[in-house]
Amino acid sequence: EMQMVGSGGGLVQPGGSLRISCVASGFTFSSSAMSWFRQAPGKGLEWVSSVNAVGSSSYYADSVKGRFSISRDNSKNTLFLQMDSLTSEDTAIYYCAKGSSQYASGRHQFDCWGQGALVNISS
Amino acid sequence: DIQMTQSPSSLSASVGDRVTITCQASQDIRKYLAWYQQKPGKAPKLLIFDASNLETGVPSRFSGSGSGTDFTFTISSLQPEDLAIYYCQQYDNLPYTFGQGTKLEIK
Repeated sequence: EMQMVGSGGGLVQPGGSLRISCVASGFTFSSSAMSWFRQAPGKGLEWVSSVNAVGSSSYYADSVKGRFSISRDNSKNTLFLQMDSLTSEDTAIYYCAKGSSQYASGRHQFDCWGQGALVNISS
Repeated sequence: DIQMTQSPSSLSASVGDRVTITCQASQDIRKYLAWYQQKPGKAPKLLIFDASNLETGVPSRFSGSGSGTDFTFTISSLQPEDLAIYYCQQYDNLPYTFGQGTKLEIK
């Protein structure tokens, strides 16, 4: 069974940094593009970032470009999101998701989602 | 960015009813549309991809149709466990974008 378990969420002051991660199992992690999405409290879903299967190409939403960095360690089946210069606008549940292809910008659906990591930016 | 307009934003229906949700894209996205179900406190779950393909393991009462800019999601016979928010999402172009969601309540 495909599964992803997120961790690393927490309370951070504005301007601070946080790294969240997601460990995958039940599928060939190194063959799948991976993405992060987020959902602010009571709001809809927003795409944040994607990385291809080998970690050589990545893409970001304009709202996080230059502040967030996506990466992966295929030897540990782990996806990361490094978040810097955080603001209250970044408060959300962050979900990792598996893409159905190896290409980060490809036309693929997201067929497995982690349970989410809550990131709260507040002073 | 491609805007996804989903309607209605909420609806209430009885067990056994047929339920339909629509999603309109601001430009042609061909068949690259997915439908997700999000139950309270849970992560989204993929139900339909490529506009009309049922994800493995998803009950056949769920279906999707459409192409280009206009899409429809249908539950043929509503069940109590279908209480959730449903989202459409386009994946034809980055940034991937979602509809605002349809909150489905059971009467």
